[in-house]
Amino acid sequence: NAGVMQNPRHLVRRRGQEARLRCSPMKGHSHVYWYRQLPEEGLKFMVYLQKENIIDESGMPKERFSAEFPKEGPSILRIQQVVRGDSAAYFCASSPVPGQGFSNQPQHFGDGTRLSIL
Amino acid sequence: SQQGEEDPQALSIQEGENATMNCSYKTSINNLQWYRQNSGRGLVHLILIRSNEREKHSGRLRVTLDTSKKSSSLLITASRAADTASYFCATDNSGGSNYKLTFGKGTLLTVNP
Repeated sequence: NAGVMQNPRHLVRRRGQEARLRCSPMKGHSHVYWYRQLPEEGLKFMVYLQKENIIDESGMPKERFSAEFPKEGPSILRIQQVVRGDSAAYFCASSPVPGQGFSNQPQHFGDGTRLSIL
Repeated sequence: SQQGEEDPQALSIQEGENATMNCSYKTSINNLQWYRQNSGRGLVHLILIRSNEREKHSGRLRVTLDTSKKSSSLLITASRAADTASYFCATDNSGGSNYKLTFGKGTLLTVNP
């Protein structure tokens, strides 16, 4: 499967625990985006990363949430001390280059991680 | 209303009929994209239309873009039961971060066999 791979598909955590969500971009893609989707809602942008760099984290809560995209390995979205309001589907997308005017490349999405907080 | 808002929220049709979904947005854009999401799955990219384009076709899909009205429509012709899914439009922002897609709440399309 050459698509965006996310794992786990489903994750259950108790309040106060940590959640780690993983994303491997499509082969050849070096730009990763994380989005969150609440029930009956559209996706909301959280963070944009390139290898070893956070480019834009303006959509990510400043506390408890962090993201990384190391030189080797998948991108990780980490949520510390989870609360019930963190329950959502978290999607990762990747692209070869970000949007550049008329040469935009679409973002390709994984199947998401459904996070449930007990 | 929010950027990238779809209309209607839900649409139910019979197999073989055409389905039309609309999207309105607020800011100037570089491009607009339509995605499909099957229940419990990720988003599948359908089509991208640039701001200097007015119409684009891909198989049974036809997308129009009217930048003066800040609106787009997605037409699915000769619908099939397998087209049942949620459909989202997504826009970037030519005045801001063009990688940051803004999605609407989607249109839930049900195609009855």
